[in-house]
Amino acid sequence: KNEVEQSPQNLTAQEGEFITINCSYSVGISALHWLQQHPGGGIVSLFMLSSGKKKHGRLIATINIQEKHSSLHITASHPRDSAVYICAVRRNTDKLIFGTGTRLQVFP
Amino acid sequence: EAGVTQFPSHSVIEKGQTVTLRCDPISGHDNLYWYRRVMGKEIKFLLHFVKESKQDESGMPNNRFLAERTGGTYSTLKVQPAELEDSGVYFCASSQERGTSGANVLTFGAGSRLTVL
Repeated sequence: KNEVEQSPQNLTAQEGEFITINCSYSVGISALHWLQQHPGGGIVSLFMLSSGKKKHGRLIATINIQEKHSSLHITASHPRDSAVYICAVRRNTDKLIFGTGTRLQVFP
Repeated sequence: EAGVTQFPSHSVIEKGQTVTLRCDPISGHDNLYWYRRVMGKEIKFLLHFVKESKQDESGMPNNRFLAERTGGTYSTLKVQPAELEDSGVYFCASSQERGTSGANVLTFGAGSRLTVL
């Protein structure tokens, strides 16, 4: 079993819908990253958080350290949000452990 | 500011050949990481440089893979001889600060897709 699990694996939504992607991990971490990869594109770091909540535009990331769980929310989703969203955790070393990603498609 | 640049974007080679991937990190970033995603699997860590030194190479799959970062600037990842299972996307990332949660911003390159036939 992977140390970082994401759900759902695939997600489709209509434009304007509120979207939640979940990430659970089974190891102690120092930080958690949410990353975005558009088809054929590189990886963009959306958030890095170690506690609480962060917001950037229509994106909100939360983390509960006790429950070893994080969520990425997208409000008022748009077709340009279509991408693979990846959760990755950092342990006490510098390397990241990645989830398998959630493929999101937002239809107009 | 230029981002992390990787070259080539796509390489197609035959089994047994050699390929060298290059990563140019953001100028001034001491930390440079190589990651790999093989088909259908999650991205996995390969190794981490701090300047020109290998800090952690625990993810390197075998001795067919050689990474270098001469002078602490750009890095190369050579696969020799390439095997079919080496096919995948190789990502490079760089950051300025090291290891402290909440302190370092990690910037990824667009990746180099390797196809071994």
